[in-house]
Amino acid sequence: EIVVTQSPGTMSLSPGERATLSCRASQNLSSRYLAWYQQKPGQAPRLLIYGASKRATGIPDRFSGSGSGTDFTLTISRLEPEDFAVYYCQQYGSSRLTFGGGTKVESK
Amino acid sequence: QVQLVQSGAEEKKPGSSVKVSCKTSGGTFNSYAVSWVRQAPGQGLEWMGGILPMFGTANYAQKFQSRVTITADRSTSTAYMELSSLRSDDTALYYCARGAMYGSYNYYMDVWGEGTTVTVSS
Repeated sequence: EIVVTQSPGTMSLSPGERATLSCRASQNLSSRYLAWYQQKPGQAPRLLIYGASKRATGIPDRFSGSGSGTDFTLTISRLEPEDFAVYYCQQYGSSRLTFGGGTKVESK
Repeated sequence: QVQLVQSGAEEKKPGSSVKVSCKTSGGTFNSYAVSWVRQAPGQGLEWMGGILPMFGTANYAQKFQSRVTITADRSTSTAYMELSSLRSDDTALYYCARGAMYGSYNYYMDVWGEGTTVTVSS
């Protein structure tokens, strides 16, 4: 099973700042099979990024994904108030899917 | 658009089983996988397993392999997740989610249900 590790666990930032979230897989992810989700309290997760860098429908362009192999990054270029949430990455390079433990982006 | 509607909250005793349903509307049920993902209170997302209705075959996370059964009824576009030998630490919100890649067991999830709360308590 591919283990996915996210860092940091929590980051405290102010609106307008840049957020850089990291996701590392224990094995190489072929075809860059890595997705990112956003989850707010009381809501189901929402797909942000798939294929490591492709934005899902309706996702603002301040969200961007990058990386390949085992190391991936989600960047939020300028935090808006609605972006404070928990972010998860998920690998689908293996058919036994796995999620990272999440990064909470909180308001400083 | 595609919607996933889940069955209502459940309260169960330790050692019993629970079966949660997830009905797909507005899309092609057979060709896209349906996954089950759980979230314990205050914790992260945990993939339990999924099924591709066109093949009727499920795959499971190693952790749940011995206790979970995922099935699909193509006639009603409904997927089911049954978890047996329930323990208190199975108390969680259980989501179903649609795989976004046609005919594949390797997928990200683009549509999510609202979640079903399962509480296990004596």
